[in-house]
Amino acid sequence: KAGVTQTPRYLIKTRGQQVTLSCSPISGHRSVSWYQQTPGQGLQFLFEYFSETQRNKGNFPGRFSGRQFSNSRSEMNVSTLELGDSALYLCASSLASPRTLRGNTEAFFGQGTRLTVV
Amino acid sequence: AQSVTQLDSHVSVSEGTPVLLRCNYSSSYSPSLFWYVQHPNKGLQLLLKYTSAATLVKGINGFEAEFKKSETSFHLTKPSAHMSDAAEYFCVVSLTGNQFYFGTGTSLTVIP
Repeated sequence: KAGVTQTPRYLIKTRGQQVTLSCSPISGHRSVSWYQQTPGQGLQFLFEYFSETQRNKGNFPGRFSGRQFSNSRSEMNVSTLELGDSALYLCASSLASPRTLRGNTEAFFGQGTRLTVV
Repeated sequence: AQSVTQLDSHVSVSEGTPVLLRCNYSSSYSPSLFWYVQHPNKGLQLLLKYTSAATLVKGINGFEAEFKKSETSFHLTKPSAHMSDAAEYFCVVSLTGNQFYFGTGTSLTVIP
């Protein structure tokens, strides 16, 4: 069974540009969440999608957005890139649904997309 | 609100000695707690999870953790460290769905 696939693995962008990252969840997983990992802030929750609907959003500016397609694949977009957006962006998928109580479903993480903003 | 605090940013142990990585949690409700490990240039891997079935949870690679409600702790232990255990470890809390809150991480160094 294929794991969570994130593309591309590495990206270099210039300040002011926008970027789109892609995440393909494990087959059968309808829940996808995104995280930003930086040395200073650690791992921070960005947003969560289930059945093409954003369920939760972390404390990030509106420049960060995402969407989920009918096949559960998800994309996140960052517009007007800033130097501080340089980070490892991780995607996770799980069998969790809005009815899942107490988050007791394991999340499987991709290897991430390393974004460098110059 | 829920959060986790990892009490040590770095831990060094000698190979063959016990490992203790400390985590305290804060949650309005009874949480689900996880430990994940991240090796360099690799993704996050689940070590173990607590979901109220048993307070002592056994995970992969000989790791285990004990949920102590009275102390709001979920410390990770291993009786004997191996060189391959050197990595970053994250204590994670989740209340619902696929939304996780990570601790700041503990970097484990294993000295030969």
